Amino acid sequence: QVTLRESGPALVKPTQTLTLTCTFSGFSLSTSGMCVSWIRQPPGKALEWLALIDWDDDKYYSTSLKTRLTISKDTSKNQVVLTMTNMDPVDTATYYCARMGIAADYFDYWGQGTLVTVSS
Amino acid sequence: EIVLTQSPGTLSLSPGERATLSCRASQSVSSSYLAWYQQKPGQAPRLLIYGASSRATGIPDRFSGSGSGTDFTLTISRLEPEDFAVYYCQQYGSSPPALTFGGGTKVEIK
Repeated sequence: QVTLRESGPALVKPTQTLTLTCTFSGFSLSTSGMCVSWIRQPPGKALEWLALIDWDDDKYYSTSLKTRLTISKDTSKNQVVLTMTNMDPVDTATYYCARMGIAADYFDYWGQGTLVTVSS
Repeated sequence: EIVLTQSPGTLSLSPGERATLSCRASQSVSSSYLAWYQQKPGQAPRLLIYGASSRATGIPDRFSGSGSGTDFTLTISRLEPEDFAVYYCQQYGSSPPALTFGGGTKVEIK
């Protein structure tokens, strides 16, 4: 079955770089049409899409955050990594990774999310 | 960037009642690229509807989606206790790929 799990630090300081890892199973990101995205949700607020990487290693970013984000994949490890630079307290959120199935435009499987707090 | 506006922000209803949730887009969205999710406290979102009107696997038929262009609707025909949650719409723009979510509608028990 398909599972995704996010991992990374629970606490980062302002100006630091955040690195999150999504480890998945039950599918391969080398399969044509498959994609994985990162989405975040500040406490009590709405979902916000951050970045997407596809099977062909094409990468797409939220317009408002693209200068701070980098997404990458390690197909052999079934992992997708997101880095976000210059963290600020407003970046405090639960960060989710989610799968978009073959040729899909929606998220059919989600990780449980990881809460990242930005504070000195 | 397409902005999705959901209304109302909160819907107060009783079990057994009908819920109608709206998602309005700032530009036309291909119906194929509009999805709805349910999120309960402390949980990840769950896919309910994709392609504007197709139910995801395992979703009860009391959930239905409709709409086209800039106006989309999620209807829950008769609310069950487990349906009280926050609902989000999401659109996908393909050139280049970009996604946006609406601000959410909370369905609460009256």
